[in-house]
Amino acid sequence: ETGVTQTPRHLVMGMTNKKSLKCEQHLGHNAMYWYKQSAKKPLELMFVYSLEERVENNSVPSRFSPECPNSSHLFLHLHTLQPEDSALYLCASSREGQPYYGYTFGSGTRLTVV
Amino acid sequence: TQLLEQSPQFLSIQEGENLTVYCNSSSVFSSLQWYRQEPGEGPVLLVTVVTGGEVKKLKRLTFQFGDARKDSSLHITAAQPGDTGLYLCAGARIYNQGGKLIFGQGTELSVKP
Repeated sequence: ETGVTQTPRHLVMGMTNKKSLKCEQHLGHNAMYWYKQSAKKPLELMFVYSLEERVENNSVPSRFSPECPNSSHLFLHLHTLQPEDSALYLCASSREGQPYYGYTFGSGTRLTVV
Repeated sequence: TQLLEQSPQFLSIQEGENLTVYCNSSSVFSSLQWYRQEPGEGPVLLVTVVTGGEVKKLKRLTFQFGDARKDSSLHITAAQPGDTGLYLCAGARIYNQGGKLIFGQGTELSVKP
């Protein structure tokens, strides 16, 4: 499969649950990103991984924990979330240092915290 | 502080009408991109503009980068219901580490048949 694949597409979890979001790309990209997209709000950059090292963490609460085991996979581990964390979580990848080619986004995981 | 301001934020028009979406900033960008996002999907890259004053056309869509590379516009001619979606502009700052993009807040377009 080409492009960026995110699983699951939909997730409903309770505030005491632990779950993980998965992102996978086989485009040869070496930078990966997690974004949060809430209704009526701009895309919020959460984490940036470049060459498998976390290079940016935009003051994201510790209940969100990213993991990048290799350049093709990115995870977002979730625990003790709040209802306000309900949103569309988007993964993206790109070629490091080459913004001209843009980001390739996955279809996102629609997360609902109950 | 939103570095990239898009306007309008919402736009509802009839099929066949023309429209223009604006993306403005006080900052200079080395390149600027436009994405379209359909409901339930991630954003998809439409175009990248690099040179000040550059104009690119993609069928009925015309993209322009401002001369000073601080702003951009997207013009759609004879809009169709299939053009419905969220349009996002994104800029790459000069000297930005790794080419990280800065996104505007988006323009939600609805084209009614």
